[in-house]
Amino acid sequence: QLQLQESGPGLVKPSETLSLTCTVSGDSISSSSYYWGWIRQPPGKGLEWIGSFYYSGSTYYNPSLMSRVTKSVDSSKNQFSLKLSSVTAADTALYYCARHARGADFFDCWGQGTLVTVSS
Amino acid sequence: EIVLTQSPGTLSLSPGERATLSCRASQSVSNNYLAWYQQKPGQAPRLLIYGASSRATGIPDRFSGSGSGIDFTLTISRLEPEDFAVYYCQQYGSSITFGQGTRLEIK
Repeated sequence: QLQLQESGPGLVKPSETLSLTCTVSGDSISSSSYYWGWIRQPPGKGLEWIGSFYYSGSTYYNPSLMSRVTKSVDSSKNQFSLKLSSVTAADTALYYCARHARGADFFDCWGQGTLVTVSS
Repeated sequence: EIVLTQSPGTLSLSPGERATLSCRASQSVSNNYLAWYQQKPGQAPRLLIYGASSRATGIPDRFSGSGSGIDFTLTISRLEPEDFAVYYCQQYGSSITFGQGTRLEIK
């Protein structure tokens, strides 16, 4: 059974870089069938897609966040990571990792989310 | 960017009633690439519908999706107590965007 688990620092200072990791079990992130993505949800608000990537390198991001986002992959640990630079209080949110099929960008499996607060 | 506007913001109904939730796009959603999710407090969203009208695995048939172009609808035919939650639409025809959500509450 596919499971995704996010991990992160919990608290990040303004202007610093937020780093999150998603650990996948029950499937390989090198699967040719799927993309892996990040979505966030500010407290009490709606969902915002951050970006998605394919194991071979194809990546696409939300244009509003693209300049601050980088991704990395550790296939040996079946993990993928997100870095968001120059954070502000507006980046405070519950961050989810999720999976979607190639050519079908709806998210069929989600992690439980990890809360990141940006505060000094 | 395609903006999705969901209405109403809050819908108050009783168990057994029919719920109709709307999602309107600022421009046509190509290939009707529209999905619906259900989110309960403290939980991640759950995929209900994709491709505007296809039910995801394990989703009861009281949930149905319809629409095309810019207007889409999620219908819950007979509300069960566990259906009271927040519902989001998402388009994936041009990048990925979500609607702001509709809260379905018990009347």
